[in-house]
Amino acid sequence: DTAVSQTPKYLVTQMGNDKSIKCEQNLGHDTMYWYKQDSKKFLKIMFSYNNKELIINETVPNRFSPKSPDKAHLNLHINSLELGDSAVYFCASSQGLGANYGYTFGSGTRLTVV
Amino acid sequence: DQQVKQNSPSLSVQEGRISILNCDYTNSMFDYFLWYKKYPAEGPTFLISISSIKDKNEDGRFTVFLNKSAKHLSLHIVPSQPGDSAVYFCAAPSGTYKYIFGTGTRLKVLA
Repeated sequence: DTAVSQTPKYLVTQMGNDKSIKCEQNLGHDTMYWYKQDSKKFLKIMFSYNNKELIINETVPNRFSPKSPDKAHLNLHINSLELGDSAVYFCASSQGLGANYGYTFGSGTRLTVV
Repeated sequence: DQQVKQNSPSLSVQEGRISILNCDYTNSMFDYFLWYKKYPAEGPTFLISISSIKDKNEDGRFTVFLNKSAKHLSLHIVPSQPGDSAVYFCAAPSGTYKYIFGTGTRLKVLA
């Protein structure tokens, strides 16, 4: 019974397409995140939601839009995909809002834009 | 700017020996550090943490040491086991709501 599940695990798509990555957590956590791991292996935060409210919105292109229909779900929609969007995207959740709460990560979605 | 740095991208160690993974940071205001472990095709999982008021925290085979004057922390694994082969990330809280991660060190424990 996966705590934080992301779908799909792999996504290969052409430039210019629109795609979504879904994330669900069954831990009852209040806070969810999207992180991006780029080709240089940097793991950087993109967005954070707490009880469906956007808390963190890092410098991310407007083509990326998170949506949280409820506190157990945080989806990531990407418009007009570009080659540079190729990366591994990790969803995570935490019990509370604050850096002292540890994260539970999903297994990642490897996005390849061709 | 890379506030958390792991300068060794990879490390190979014989089974049974000690593995030492290093992490440097620039922000002296960090008050908490964490180590995460990541297997291929999986998300990072929490391994061990240390508060800045301590210089050592131990959990079984894993010990984290913090040297605040040098802005350096290290993770010791002893004895190393093949199942420890993974990528290890150090992380520190940045502001109130997020962590900054290092780029990771890939540990390979040779049987």
